[in-house]
Amino acid sequence: GAGVSQSPRYKVTKRGQDVALRCDPISGHVSLYWYRQALGQGPEFLTYFNYEAQQDKSGLPNDRFSAERPEGSISTLTIQRTEQRDSAMYRCASSLFQGRVTEAFFGQGTRLTVV
Amino acid sequence: QQPVQSPQAVILREGEDAVINCSSSKALYSVHWYRQKHGEAPVFLMILLKGGEQKGHEKISASFNEKKQQSSLYLTASQLSYSGTYFCGTEGRGTTDSWGKLQFGAGTQVVVTP
Repeated sequence: GAGVSQSPRYKVTKRGQDVALRCDPISGHVSLYWYRQALGQGPEFLTYFNYEAQQDKSGLPNDRFSAERPEGSISTLTIQRTEQRDSAMYRCASSLFQGRVTEAFFGQGTRLTVV
Repeated sequence: QQPVQSPQAVILREGEDAVINCSSSKALYSVHWYRQKHGEAPVFLMILLKGGEQKGHEKISASFNEKKQQSSLYLTASQLSYSGTYFCGTEGRGTTDSWGKLQFGAGTQVVVTP
């Protein structure tokens, strides 16, 4: 696609429900990153993939968070048993090359609100 | 560890210059600069890979002092379009730092007025 696409753009969910956030990276991009961005703060690293392999998940806050990229393209970030503190903007980014970070292209994000 | 940015905010008149600083407590492999306008996604400006290296984007340039683990972003002859929040992202060079992991600072809000 022309850019990194994330869906849904907005998600309101009740506490305790599971949510799945989708990221469709730029076609051909090898690396895909997930970040969480609180209002007025910089992006906070969650996890990243090279192709389908999850390289680093050290930023995932706890075991309620998981991510996958089964075919090396689209990725899904899943949050189980959501809590109010999970409310944030979740951003996906992709870059053409693997290895050291090169230019990353960010998506418009999914604004998650847990009520 | 998150890098520290300063100042938190700066207000400029069109044509004025500003410097944004980014400092890390750990050894760095690279520093990345992004700009984010209100309600939009962060947009890549530049990467600095070597100590002392300077790069430029329009009239925006940056330097990276590898030994001091610091980078500075220079906004020269600022334009209205430079308004936004600037973030530095750092990539560590330590053995426990995985490739692909960027730590972003809290951002510096820049407002350029006519």
